[in-house]
Amino acid sequence: AQSVTQLGSHVSVSEGALVLLRCNYSSSVPPYLFWYVQYPNQGLQLLLKYTSAATLVKGINGFEAEFKKSETSFHLTKPSAHMSDAAEYFCAVSGGATNKLIFGTGTLLAVQP
Amino acid sequence: SAVISQKPSRDICQRGTSLTIQCQVDSQVTMMFWYRQQPGQSLTLIATANQGSEATYESGFVIDKFPISRPNLTFSTLTVSNMSPEDSSIYLCSVAWMGEPQYFGPGTRLTVL
Repeated sequence: AQSVTQLGSHVSVSEGALVLLRCNYSSSVPPYLFWYVQYPNQGLQLLLKYTSAATLVKGINGFEAEFKKSETSFHLTKPSAHMSDAAEYFCAVSGGATNKLIFGTGTLLAVQP
Repeated sequence: SAVISQKPSRDICQRGTSLTIQCQVDSQVTMMFWYRQQPGQSLTLIATANQGSEATYESGFVIDKFPISRPNLTFSTLTVSNMSPEDSSIYLCSVAWMGEPQYFGPGTRLTVL
């Protein structure tokens, strides 16, 4: 069985501050891990993916995530927040690259000027 | 990635009626999925749409309520049958190629009165 836990349903940061969105996973098989972003009234956009290659994964819009097996974590970070980063972020796990996705409950990121 | 479109983008329906949502991709894909996102919630997989055969439904979802078709490698439909207000959600299709992550359509916002 697989599951994802996102700590913090709401995160607020100041513009220019570090963004850290937390994701912990549980998987009985080597996991594939993903971060998606959902802007208001839009579908989901893939930010980045981990598929057992490099543990530090770089994505779009300056985001990156580090896979830590010992901590079963895949936290999303960005050094400097922009106002345009305000959105909802979902962490997801699957047992394979195209197997069904199990989503976390999401984290709504607010960026204050 | 690919260009994924959904029709309609939104609809308001009366209880007891049915709505068919279309998902069109601009290139052939291996897999297509349908998700539901209830208000303020995360995404839940409804079913995997299989080309030329019956869809594979997740626990809690049944074919009589959510019939799905996938006549070819670029198109799928999801019908929400005998709707009730509890069916008010965003319905999203996603697509994937082997070894690639899922990419999502823009979603269909359904309100049932």
